[in-house]
Amino acid sequence: GAVVSQHPSRVICKSGTSVKIECRSLDFQATTMFWYRQFPKKSLMLMATSNEGSKATYEQGVEKDKFLINHASLTLSTLTVTSAHPEDSSFYICSAREGGLAGLNEQFFGPGTRLTVL
Amino acid sequence: QQPVQSPQAVILREGEDAVINCSSSKALYSVHWYRQKHGEAPVFLMILLKGGEQKGHEKISASFNEKKQQSSLYLTASQLSYSGTYFCGTEPGRGSTLGRLYFGRGTQLTVWP
Repeated sequence: GAVVSQHPSRVICKSGTSVKIECRSLDFQATTMFWYRQFPKKSLMLMATSNEGSKATYEQGVEKDKFLINHASLTLSTLTVTSAHPEDSSFYICSAREGGLAGLNEQFFGPGTRLTVL
Repeated sequence: QQPVQSPQAVILREGEDAVINCSSSKALYSVHWYRQKHGEAPVFLMILLKGGEQKGHEKISASFNEKKQQSSLYLTASQLSYSGTYFCGTEPGRGSTLGRLYFGRGTQLTVWP
């Protein structure tokens, strides 16, 4: 299967700082990338859909000013958690999808980033 | 949008079979199945399109009934490596929701020797 990487794998930051998480598709071009959040022993919650070269589409209840998403190229999407607070602590996972409307393509997940806000 | 998975947890002996169900209140275009081990990212198992398609992956197979908006994952002759949390992800349709997956709460599967 296709490989998706995330960096960093773990980050600890102080309350009020911003944290950037990178998601890269290593061996394919991802027209669409998705960002999820997962709480311990809970499901994956879709936060936003990111398409290369356009603004991200956020799910209801997700603050776009809080979670900034940029999809600068077909292999890179970034999620920036701005002014992080302890309640933002979570496991953030990205996934990447290759195809467009014509194709049916699976999503491949990155290894995730564990964010801890002190 | 979130599908409902059942059961929440399954405990098996090695070699036994299990079925995990996933149902949605919305019309579905596709269903995706993943397995996640503790502290790791979900691993893709298979994807099913509407049309009652049944797919297989070694001793793991799945079916999708689009009319009932339900999918089931079948694990036969389970192995220790099958342990983990299984998630179904449902794709509601094409157009603006293209590719978006909404995940159930997961089914925790434990296989004992």
